[in-house]
Amino acid sequence: QVQLQESGPGLVKPSETLSLTCTVSGDSISNHHWSWVRQSPGKGLEWIGYTGSTNSNPSLKSRLSMSVDTSNNHFSLKLTSVTAADTAVYYCVRDRPDRIPAPLFDYWGQGILVTVSS
Amino acid sequence: QIVVTQEPSLTVSPGGTLTLTCASSSGAVTRGYYPTWFQQKPGQTPRALIYSTNDKQSWTPARFSGSLLGGKAALTLSGVQPEDEADYYCLLYYGGARVFGTGTKVTVL
Repeated sequence: QVQLQESGPGLVKPSETLSLTCTVSGDSISNHHWSWVRQSPGKGLEWIGYTGSTNSNPSLKSRLSMSVDTSNNHFSLKLTSVTAADTAVYYCVRDRPDRIPAPLFDYWGQGILVTVSS
Repeated sequence: QIVVTQEPSLTVSPGGTLTLTCASSSGAVTRGYYPTWFQQKPGQTPRALIYSTNDKQSWTPARFSGSLLGGKAALTLSGVQPEDEADYYCLLYYGGARVFGTGTKVTVL
C-alpha cells in the first residue's frame, strides 16, 4: 500500500522560507515522479510543481525549489519569501510513473496545513 | 497564464445524469492534455477518478466516465448517488506543467 506523509512546520513567519518533506512508503521514489499541490482555505486546488521536470507553477517558480532524496525515499519543497497568500494545506502526490507522460495523481498525502503569520 | 474553467456549481437529482466540463483558455482540449478528474468531499483529501481522458482508477465507480466533448474534457456521472455530492476538479497537462480547473460543486437533491 503506497502511503505519503507530509512533514514540516505548521507555522511560518512572513518573508521566511516554507520547507516541507514528503516521505513515501510502499513504493520506491525512483519509480515515479512526484508533485506538490496546495489548497488555500475554502479555495480550489493549485499545482505547485513536480520532480519530473523543471516545470512548475509560473506564479511560484521564482520562489520554488524541489529536491529528491532517493536514499531516504523522500522529496522536499522549499518556498521562499512567503506571505499570507501562501497559507494553505499542502499535499504531496504521486504524479506519474517514469517514462509515462500522463499524470495519474493516484496517491495523496493527508495534507499539512501551513499558516503564514507573525 | 493558462486558465482552466469548470462550471462553478451544478445540481442533480438522485438517479440522474450529470456532465461536468473542463475548458482550457489556450484552446480545444485534446487527448494530449491527458485530462484527469478528481473528487473532493468536505474535509477530505482529493481522490483521483479518471486519468488520460477516460481511464478509471481501480477504485472508481462504474457510474463515472470521462470523455472529450465539444473541445472540452468532460466527466459524466450516470445514476447519481447521494454520496456523489462533492467538489470535482479537472487537471490538464501542458507539456510538463499541470493546471487544475476552477472546480465544480455538485449538489445532489
